[in-house]
Amino acid sequence: GAGVSQSPRYKVAKRGQDVALRCDPISGHVSLFWYQQALGQGPEFLTYFQNEAQLDKSGLPSDRFFAERPEGSVSTLKIQRTQQEDSAVYLCASSSIAGGPVDEQFFGPGTRLTVL
Amino acid sequence: DAKTTQPPSMDCAEGRAANLPCNHSTISGNEYVYWYRQIHSQGPQYIIHGLKNNETNEMASLIITEDRKSSTLILPHATLRDTAVYYCIVRGYGGATNKLIFGTGTLLAVQP
Repeated sequence: GAGVSQSPRYKVAKRGQDVALRCDPISGHVSLFWYQQALGQGPEFLTYFQNEAQLDKSGLPSDRFFAERPEGSVSTLKIQRTQQEDSAVYLCASSSIAGGPVDEQFFGPGTRLTVL
Repeated sequence: DAKTTQPPSMDCAEGRAANLPCNHSTISGNEYVYWYRQIHSQGPQYIIHGLKNNETNEMASLIITEDRKSSTLILPHATLRDTAVYYCIVRGYGGATNKLIFGTGTLLAVQP
């Protein structure tokens, strides 16, 4: 398909486990974003990549959260030693441009993480 | 980026126009108004954006007041598939990131 894909769609982890969430952006898209969405809330920004460079990680809630995009395409969000408050939907979005006012972000379906 | 205020929920009859308001009284001159929507269990979807002129595309129309302190998203003929949470976002550009700052949005329920 031509859209943003994420895997897995659902992940259940025991508290303390490490998890890795994958995002496949639209081919050729320069910008990639990760957002976290708690139940009943709007998405909250986590981090931003322009190609392989992580230009903004101001939204990462703790040093247990780590994201990478080593070749400027696929990205992985890793959460170490998961805690119950990490339970949320993790959304990935990509955009064809970097910067500028006209910036349509295309979102994936998200990964729903449940930490028991 | 300026904050926005939206009603938490609205109802609309199928086939009628849905008018979703948004207040952004602290918007600055270089900030755009964006609208996204999120259908249940899906990621957000871009709808439309504007700076100061009214805008229209195949999905909706965006009306921005002359002082730019508020705007209205119009879905001209709402269908059941338009039931979603609609987010009004004000964002500048030119920084290191074009991150979107979502509020809690308006849950639009289209009734048959």
